[in-house]
Amino acid sequence: GAVVSQHPSRVICKSGTSVKIECRSLDFQATTMFWYRQFPKQSLMLMATSNEGSKATYEQGVEKDKFLINHASLTLSTLTVTSAHPEDSSFYICSARDPRRFNEKLFFGSGTQLSVL
Amino acid sequence: DQQVKQNSPSLSVQEGRISILNCDYTNSMFDYFLWYKKYPAEGPTFLISISSIKDKNEDGRFTVFLNKSAKHLSLHIVPSQPGDSAVYFCAASAKVGSEKLVFGKGTKLTVNP
Repeated sequence: GAVVSQHPSRVICKSGTSVKIECRSLDFQATTMFWYRQFPKQSLMLMATSNEGSKATYEQGVEKDKFLINHASLTLSTLTVTSAHPEDSSFYICSARDPRRFNEKLFFGSGTQLSVL
Repeated sequence: DQQVKQNSPSLSVQEGRISILNCDYTNSMFDYFLWYKKYPAEGPTFLISISSIKDKNEDGRFTVFLNKSAKHLSLHIVPSQPGDSAVYFCAASAKVGSEKLVFGKGTKLTVNP
């Protein structure tokens, strides 16, 4: 079964609104979670690393004020797309690693398809 | 600048035959490579990996080959089954266990009964 849960799976919103996406680790505590974005026919691209209890680390070119990340607990990270615009329409996906499994691979959520009208 | 390339967006094979998915990379700092499989409406799931100290890793029907000099890796699925139909992503990182994965665009595999 899924070890990383992501909600919602699909969001359609109007331009200018904010959208929150949740990512939960289900049976392990994740001090670090990762947010990826995939535009159509493009690769999954790492946007930011979410760190529990501290600020997120953003990849080059990703606006931290637009993509707010909160990692308030060891099992939950949220990504808020603020004042969304049509160019933010994309597939957003989170991932986490189970710290009990050294060198284990990333577990991914099922993703969120965001469509901004 | 795409550091991990999967040049075939799609591949179709017959059930029972071999599926070969290819991946090329440009960054010589990459030393750990992974393949993920993704079904529609689901997140990618880990399939198999290989570190740069090896040139082959096998897990059941899945084998990954790494050619460091050519900066090329491939995933072989033998025999292919209809349930293998999915999008396969190649990913690379600069070290084992690194969370910073660089993904290819994916190859959609269709296995026909």
